[in-house]
Amino acid sequence: KQEVTQIPAALSVPEGENLVLNCSFTDSAIYNLQWFRQDPGKGLTSLLLIQSSQREQTSGRLNASLDKSSGRSTLYIAASQPGDSATYLCAPYGYGGATNKLIFGTGTLLAVQP
Amino acid sequence: GAVVSQHPSRVICKSGTSVKIECRSLDFQATTMFWYRQFPKQSLMLMATSNEGSKATYEQGVEKDKFLINHASLTLSTLTVTSAHPEDSSFYICSAPPLSWASAGGYTFGSGTRLTVV
Repeated sequence: KQEVTQIPAALSVPEGENLVLNCSFTDSAIYNLQWFRQDPGKGLTSLLLIQSSQREQTSGRLNASLDKSSGRSTLYIAASQPGDSATYLCAPYGYGGATNKLIFGTGTLLAVQP
Repeated sequence: GAVVSQHPSRVICKSGTSVKIECRSLDFQATTMFWYRQFPKQSLMLMATSNEGSKATYEQGVEKDKFLINHASLTLSTLTVTSAHPEDSSFYICSAPPLSWASAGGYTFGSGTRLTVV
C-alpha cells in the first residue's frame, strides 16, 4: 500500500526566499507524480506533472524533480511570493488496477511573509 | 484541458436529510471518478471509486450505505450522503484520472463541496 510523506509539515519564510518541499513515497513502482496546491477552503490546482520517462518538470518559478528509485520528489519554489502561501500536496500514481488511485500525503503548509 | 464541474460548492442541510453532490466531466468522457473527503487541516482521504456501468469500489472503513455513489453516464458521477449527521460535515471532492497514461494532463479535480450538517 502506497504511503506518502511530506516534509516539512509547515514552513514559514520571508518573501523572496528560495525553498524546497520534499515528498517521499514507499512504493517506487509508480508511473507519474503530480504536485498540487490547495488554497484554504478550495479545491486542488495542478502545478506540475512528472511523467514516467522524465526526471523533472519546470513551470515558471516552480521546478519539480522525481527519483523513482529512491522514492522521492522535490518541489523547488524560486523567489517565493505571498501569493505562494497555500498547502502543497504531492501524489504519485501507478498505471491501472489499484495503483492508479491518487494517494496524498498530509501536505506542506507554506506561509510566505511579505 | 479536461474540466470537471462539481456542484454544489456549498450546502447546508438538516440532520437526517440526504444530500447529492454531482461531478460532471465537461469536455471528455470519464469512465472512472474518484471521490475524496477532507477534514479541516488534514489531507485528502480516498473514499471510493465510481465506475460507469458497474458498482462503486469503496475504501476500507467507508460506509457504503451512508455514501451512495452512482456513475450514471460517461459524464456524470454522483455522491449521495444519506441520513446526514453533523459528523458527516466535511469537504468532498471528486477527481477524474488522465485521459491516457501517456498524456501530460494528469488528474483533474472538481472544485469541491463544503457540506455542513446542522
